[in-house]
Formats: sequence, structure tokens, C-alpha cells
Amino acid sequence: DSGVTQTPKHLITATGQRVTLRCSPRSGDLSVYWYQQSLDQGLQFLIHYYNGEERAKGNILERFSAQQFPDLHSELNLSSLELGDSALYFCASSVGVRTPTDTQYFGPGTRLTVL
Amino acid sequence: GENVEQHPSTLSVQEGDSAVIKCTYSDSASNYFPWYKQELGKRPQLIIDIRSNVGEKKDQRIAVTLNKTAKHFSLHITETQPEDSAVYFCAAREGTGFQKLVFGTGTRLLVSP
Repeated sequence: DSGVTQTPKHLITATGQRVTLRCSPRSGDLSVYWYQQSLDQGLQFLIHYYNGEERAKGNILERFSAQQFPDLHSELNLSSLELGDSALYFCASSVGVRTPTDTQYFGPGTRLTVL
Repeated sequence: GENVEQHPSTLSVQEGDSAVIKCTYSDSASNYFPWYKQELGKRPQLIIDIRSNVGEKKDQRIAVTLNKTAKHFSLHITETQPEDSAVYFCAAREGTGFQKLVFGTGTRLLVSP
């Protein structure tokens, strides 16, 4: 157990709908990262938040948005869902410091299925 | 930006054999190289990492080597066991923890008894 929690574990919804994925980082971690992993694909970086502020964006669609709250949990909002959005969504957390070895610890993921 | 290539995409070995997975990176400023193991349907887990000021690091049956000049790094697993079967991802990062990790495309390792 990495200490990173994600809810829900599974989510099944229909095209055009909107969903919210939730992530709670490890105690003491200030950084949260979101990744998308499609079937048999690698980890695609979506977005990084540090202490409530957006730090970096990757290949995140405009239909997707995220935020990090004062208690440091983060939510990833996916709207106008398409079949191709079906994937595993992972969040990871790290202490978030200015050193090279800031290790990212991954949560268990949310499996999103869009029908 | 950083680009990480990983080979092979699949690797099948017999139990007890060694396995080697190789990654190359493009940005000479990258200084941190972690390796993650992901079992089917589970989260990626860090298994070993190396900084650019170190050429090799070992942890029991796992070792990572780094060649900064050639900009490549490799994961070595000795005495493989069936439970080593998983997808392995390499990654690279430039600078500090505020910079994103760039992941390779993964290697599916299958260890047959």
C-alpha cells in the first residue's frame, strides 16, 4: 500500500456524461500528479499540482480539468465523455521538493469505462 | 522536451535466467531515472531508481546501470522468478521534483517456470 488513495475504484458511465475522480495523497505529500493509461499503453502524464497550484500540464484534453484543494486532495473532472476516454486513471503523490529524487508513489487507480 | 524510448516491448525468459531492459533518453540534462513495475490491473510500484551522479545501483536481484555519455540506462534482473512477470516502465526527469517524469512505453516481461 503506497498510502495514496483513489475513489472510486471502478466507474461505468455513458458517452456525453461527466465524472469526477478523487485522489488523496500520502500524508505530508504536497504534489499530486494525474496519469491516464489506456489498454496496453504507457502512462500519459496529464497534470501536476503542488500545494494547490497547477505546476505542469501534459496531454490533457480541454474536456478534462483538475484541481487540488486546501486539504491537498485532488479531483480530476472528465466531461463530455467519449468511448476513447475509457482507461485507467492513476494519481501519484510526492513530497514535492526541489531535489532530483522526489519519488512519485502511485495510487491504485480508477478504471473508467465509457459505454 | 524529454523523450524516452524503451526496448524490448516484450521479453520472455525461463525461470532463473537474467532479463535486461534498456531505455534511452534525449535530454542530457535529465538527472533522475526511476523504474516502476506494474502487475496486471495494479498500480505502478517503484522498484529502483538512480541519479545521474551514480553509474550503477543494486538491490538484491535488481540492478540499474546508467551511461550518461550514451544517454541510456538499463534494468537488470537476475535469477528471474515467475513473480517477476509484469510490465516494467523506465522514466527520466530533468531537474527537480517540480519537473515531470517522462515514461517509456513499457516492457512486458514473462518468466516461464
